[in-house]
Amino acid sequence: DTGVSQDPRHKITKRGQNVTFRCDPISEHNRLYWYRQTLGQGPEFLTYFQNEAQLEKSRLLSDRFSAERPKGSFSTLEIQRTEQGDSAMYLCASSSRDSSTDTQYFGPGTRLTVL
Amino acid sequence: DAKTTQPTSMDCAEGRAANLPCNHSTISGNEYVYWYRQIHSQGPQYIIHGLKNNETNEMASLIITEDRKSSTLILPHATLRDTAVYYCIVDAWAGSYQLTFGKGTKLSVIP
Repeated sequence: DTGVSQDPRHKITKRGQNVTFRCDPISEHNRLYWYRQTLGQGPEFLTYFQNEAQLEKSRLLSDRFSAERPKGSFSTLEIQRTEQGDSAMYLCASSSRDSSTDTQYFGPGTRLTVL
Repeated sequence: DAKTTQPTSMDCAEGRAANLPCNHSTISGNEYVYWYRQIHSQGPQYIIHGLKNNETNEMASLIITEDRKSSTLILPHATLRDTAVYYCIVDAWAGSYQLTFGKGTKLSVIP
């Protein structure tokens, strides 16, 4: 049973650099979500895809953030010109439209540290 | 803002049942109650969900009051590995697919 996977698990970068994270959802899931979690807080929604279409974006997703899901399978989240405030855990989740309740299953996360 | 209220922290003795309460007094008729937990430095783990009936799976039981304004997650025999932050979430289903997490309950299972 393959769950949601994320790569890398940890990323340390210098302020101003660009970073890209990858998420591979559960294979039959057509919905994919990105969340961000800072220390001591619960995860916060960033964006949502249904297949390859990005259908919802949070106001937290500034212009420096871009997410793609080109073939409706894996997704990437890119942060340009990173800032120290971007340091957080970035979580990916997936779910199946066929499920009556659309339960989201999360990956292990990518922890970003911006120096 | 989260639609749920949970205690900040709870302790439970190993082997005992852990009962985690959640208030969701503004829940709508078609909204589900979800429970997730997050062990330190890992992604949230789905536990259970329910609409109005009590539910049980291999991990836990979910008891929802008749008026649906509150619920209780029950871990029947808590182990040290159940130490985690537990989140109660009301599914923001209508028109949005995002889960709104609060701060959850930090459950500490004590030997």
